[in-house]
Amino acid sequence: AQSVTQLDSQVPVFEEAPVELRCNYSSSVSVYLFWYVQYPNQGLQLLLKYLSGSTLVESINGFEAEFNKSQTSFHLRKPSVHISDTAEYFCAVSGQFKAAGNKLTFGGGTRVLVKP
Amino acid sequence: EAQVTQNPRYLITVTGKKLTVTCSQNMNHEYMSWYRQDPGLGLRQIYYSMNVEVTDKGDVPEGYKVSRKEKRNFPLILESPSPNQTSLYFCASSLGAGGVYEQYFGPGTRLTVT
Repeated sequence: AQSVTQLDSQVPVFEEAPVELRCNYSSSVSVYLFWYVQYPNQGLQLLLKYLSGSTLVESINGFEAEFNKSQTSFHLRKPSVHISDTAEYFCAVSGQFKAAGNKLTFGGGTRVLVKP
Repeated sequence: EAQVTQNPRYLITVTGKKLTVTCSQNMNHEYMSWYRQDPGLGLRQIYYSMNVEVTDKGDVPEGYKVSRKEKRNFPLILESPSPNQTSLYFCASSLGAGGVYEQYFGPGTRLTVT
């Protein structure tokens, strides 16, 4: 079984300031890690994912996340946010085995509000 | 355009009145699932389907039913809705089972049960 904890439910941040969204997970099996973004009144979109290889992964819109196995964390960062980054962000994990189905276990979400 | 569609997008109903939320994908995906989203709890899986006629319970299946008679469709059925099923529901699909396959989400159905 897996669980995901997002340590901040809301993060207000000024435009062009950096932001970090914290995510910790626990699992008895190896996992894949994901960040999803949900813009207001929309569905979830995959922002980035870690499957294997380099522990630092990047998205096309400037976000990055680093997998830290020893600390079981997958924090999301952006050095300079825009108003358009206002959204809710979900960290999720999935077991690496087909027997686990393809279930994503989500954290509770972090609302990011970018202020001008 | 590759997509997952859900209908209706918004639904207000009364306790006990059976309802169905439809989900359809046009990507020939094998794996489909339903999640509900509640504040502070993130998304929790209700049911999933590995292929036609193969379904199984997720983490919160009580009060829900599903069927998978065709590969593209995966309806969610609430036989006797109750107020605690008021939530935002998402259907998702992926090429296969296993976390390596990206899941694609529908736009969501906001259900209110009074």
